[in-house]
Amino acid sequence: GQNIDQPTEMTATEGAIVQINCTYQTSGFNGLFWYQQHAGEAPTFLSYNVLDGLEEKGRFSSFLSRSKGYSYLLLKELQMKDSASYLCAVLDSNYQLIWGAGTKLIIKP
Amino acid sequence: TAGITQAPTSQILAAGRSMTLRCTQDMRHNAMYWYRQDLGLGLRLIHYSNTAGTTGKGEVPDGYSVSRANTDDFPLTLASAVPSQTSVYFCASSPASGRGYNEQFFGPGTRLTVL
Repeated sequence: GQNIDQPTEMTATEGAIVQINCTYQTSGFNGLFWYQQHAGEAPTFLSYNVLDGLEEKGRFSSFLSRSKGYSYLLLKELQMKDSASYLCAVLDSNYQLIWGAGTKLIIKP
Repeated sequence: TAGITQAPTSQILAAGRSMTLRCTQDMRHNAMYWYRQDLGLGLRLIHYSNTAGTTGKGEVPDGYSVSRANTDDFPLTLASAVPSQTSVYFCASSPASGRGYNEQFFGPGTRLTVL
């Protein structure tokens, strides 16, 4: 079956750095997405990786290793507004998105 | 620009009743999707449409139906609601399907409670 694993919850301190991991086992691979979802709101797109390596976008970076079935989202200089759930999703061989359950990130002052 | 809208925002529905959740996008996107999101589970695809006039079943289609008469609208119908359909429903759209970089844009969601 298809499976995406992420930690359920993480806690970090304002101003610090946090890494949210995602491992996947899917039927085929056509890219990996990270979305941010604030409580009670819709998910919004953060990043897309299809090749191995690091993609940097401001305070957020996303890394992919296809051989290991592994990705991480790195958040730097954490701000209180970064408190949200972070969803990892993989585009499978049928170009359908398979979603992880999300990681709830709690930022403490 | 409105983007993608959903109605209603929330609803309480008696078991056995039918209901249609509305979704409209003004981005002229070809592909549209319906997901449900339950606590502790990832978003699960109910139905999708790659282009107007076509629909397909996702991971959890039972008890739901959809239609795609035009590009903008993609309603989701529950024919006879059951308590297990209590969830938050998100509609999404993307410019196209069947390709890699295909960001999905989400509506604000409909919170449905079936009693």
